[in-house]
Amino acid sequence: KAGVTQTPRYLIKTRGQQVTLSCSPISGHRSVSWYQQTPGQGLQFLFEYFSETQRNKGNFPGRFSGRQFSNSRSEMNVSTLELGDSALYLCASRTGDTEAFFGQGTRLTVV
Amino acid sequence: GQQVMQIPQYQHVQEGEDFTTYCNSSTTLSNIQWYKQRPGGHPVFLIQLVKSGEVKKQKRLTFQFGEAKKNSSLHITATQTTDVGTYFCAGNNQGGKLIFGQGTELSVKP
Repeated sequence: KAGVTQTPRYLIKTRGQQVTLSCSPISGHRSVSWYQQTPGQGLQFLFEYFSETQRNKGNFPGRFSGRQFSNSRSEMNVSTLELGDSALYLCASRTGDTEAFFGQGTRLTVV
Repeated sequence: GQQVMQIPQYQHVQEGEDFTTYCNSSTTLSNIQWYKQRPGGHPVFLIQLVKSGEVKKQKRLTFQFGEAKKNSSLHITATQTTDVGTYFCAGNNQGGKLIFGQGTELSVKP
């Protein structure tokens, strides 16, 4: 069974640009969650999608958005990038309240 | 909103010493999970606790879930260099949101 796949693995963007990250969950998993990881801040919850609907949302500004497609693949978009958006973005898929399977993450650097 | 606090943030131990990390939630949890993230890696699931007062063991690791289902702990006996990494607790609330603590970074000196 293939794991969670995130693309791209690394990204360098300039302040003010926008970026789209992609996540393909494990086959059969309909829940996809996104997290931002920065040193000392742990894993900050961005949002969760389930069956193409945003089910839960964290405390991030509206510049952070996402969506989920009918095949459960999910994308996350960040507009008007700021230096502070530099982080590792992780997505995780799961079924129900069970364990979350994480992808390798996308390392975003904003310069 | 729901918060999950984890302490300590860092722990440095000599190989063979014990290690404990503590997790507290601001709200009652439906279950709690623990993950380990090796340096440069992604979080990997260790275990899930569901019942009030539950205790589970995995070799040298002991996990506990508090009676009120708001706190949890992970204890490692006789640490080894392979235990190095960051340990996260994550709480599931009734809405299915999985909220992570800040993590405890464990370093082990051989």
